Amino acid sequence: AQTVTQSQPEMSVQEAETVTLSCTYDTSESNYYLFWYKQPPSRQMILVIRQEAYKQQNATENRFSVNFQKAAKSFSLKISDSQLGDTAMYFCASLHNAGNMLTFGGGTRLMVKP
Amino acid sequence: DVKVTQSSRYLVKRTGEKVFLECVQDMDHENMFWYRQDPGLGLRLIYFSYDVKMKEKGDIPEGYSVSREKKERFSLILESASTNQTSMYLCASSLSNGGETQYFGPGTRLLVL
Repeated sequence: AQTVTQSQPEMSVQEAETVTLSCTYDTSESNYYLFWYKQPPSRQMILVIRQEAYKQQNATENRFSVNFQKAAKSFSLKISDSQLGDTAMYFCASLHNAGNMLTFGGGTRLMVKP
Repeated sequence: DVKVTQSSRYLVKRTGEKVFLECVQDMDHENMFWYRQDPGLGLRLIYFSYDVKMKEKGDIPEGYSVSREKKERFSLILESASTNQTSMYLCASSLSNGGETQYFGPGTRLLVL
């Protein structure tokens, strides 16, 4: 069974600063995928970034990047130049290639302060 | 853009009522999912469907059933609502290839009194 842990229930950051959200996971699979999803106060969950475990290069998407440490089973999300619109719940999730079911962490509530 | 819609944003029901939550996706995705979201617990999978009339139990199927009669529509049914089913319910869909991104609906906040 896969597990995903987000150790920071809440975080805050000043606008324009950089913040890192932590995520660790546990899986016995060799091929899997990792995701960060964002859920703004309006509730629509959207994909932030996706990482394929067999790719060594860290995924990036504009101001969002990940630090994927496969041996340590760590998958942190870095948000650069934080904006007020980044205020949201952030969920880390894993999916192994043999299945279709995502396993989610408990979420981190991020507040960006002006 | 993928669009996943859910029939209600907010719903208030009485204990013992039968409740239907509807989800529709417009991208011809094979997979559809129902999750419930509770504070501190993240999202937990209730059921998923990989094809019409096919379903598999997720982590917390007790007290729920599902129906998928058409590819684009996936229904979650609470046969006899209970107060511990008060929660946010999220629907999602994805292609069937391995590792595909799931796309979520806006959610239904259900209150069972």
